[in-house]
Amino acid sequence: GAVVSQHPSWVICKSGTSVKIECRSLDFQATTMFWYRQFPKQSLMLMATSNEGSKATYEQGVEKDKFLINHASLTLSTLTVTSAHPEDSSFYICSASRDRGGLAQYFGPGTRLLVL
Amino acid sequence: DAKTTQPTSMDCAEGRAANLPCNHSTISGNEYVYWYRQIHSQGPQYIIHGLKNNETNEMASLIITEDRKSSTLILPHATLRDTAVYYCMNSNSGYALNFGKGTSLLVTP
Repeated sequence: GAVVSQHPSWVICKSGTSVKIECRSLDFQATTMFWYRQFPKQSLMLMATSNEGSKATYEQGVEKDKFLINHASLTLSTLTVTSAHPEDSSFYICSASRDRGGLAQYFGPGTRLLVL
Repeated sequence: DAKTTQPTSMDCAEGRAANLPCNHSTISGNEYVYWYRQIHSQGPQYIIHGLKNNETNEMASLIITEDRKSSTLILPHATLRDTAVYYCMNSNSGYALNFGKGTSLLVTP
């Protein structure tokens, strides 16, 4: 199957700092990437959809100025949590999709963020 | 809200087949049925997907009813490493997946 990587795998930061998370499709070109987050004992919740070269589409309730998404190439999307606060502590997971030809999405291993 | 309904939890003895059901009665004609699983603290792992026909791969088999309103994921010989939360979702290819609560499968020795 296709491989998606995320970096870093975990990060601890102080409140008020910004954190950048990278999502890479290693062996295929991803026309679309998705960002999800998962709080403890809950399911994954979609945050935004990112298409290469265009602005991300955010889900209702997700602040676009706080969660900056850049999808500059077909193999890389980044999520920046700006001015992180303890309530942003979560498990952030990206997925990548090649096209709309009936193929599956592949997920990264996730990034665990802890804001102190 | 998730568009699928799955049992909250299931148990299966190691070595036996695990049959995980899913109802997706509102699935539209061009939506696929996707199955993923999530082992604790990891990203979801793709298992299998299908449109109309039954599918089989090295991990599992997917049986889709003729009316496409339900499906069953079959793990033919469950192992302890198959313990995970299994998610059934229907979506158009290339679109985001709507994760519900899934089925927590416990494989016991």
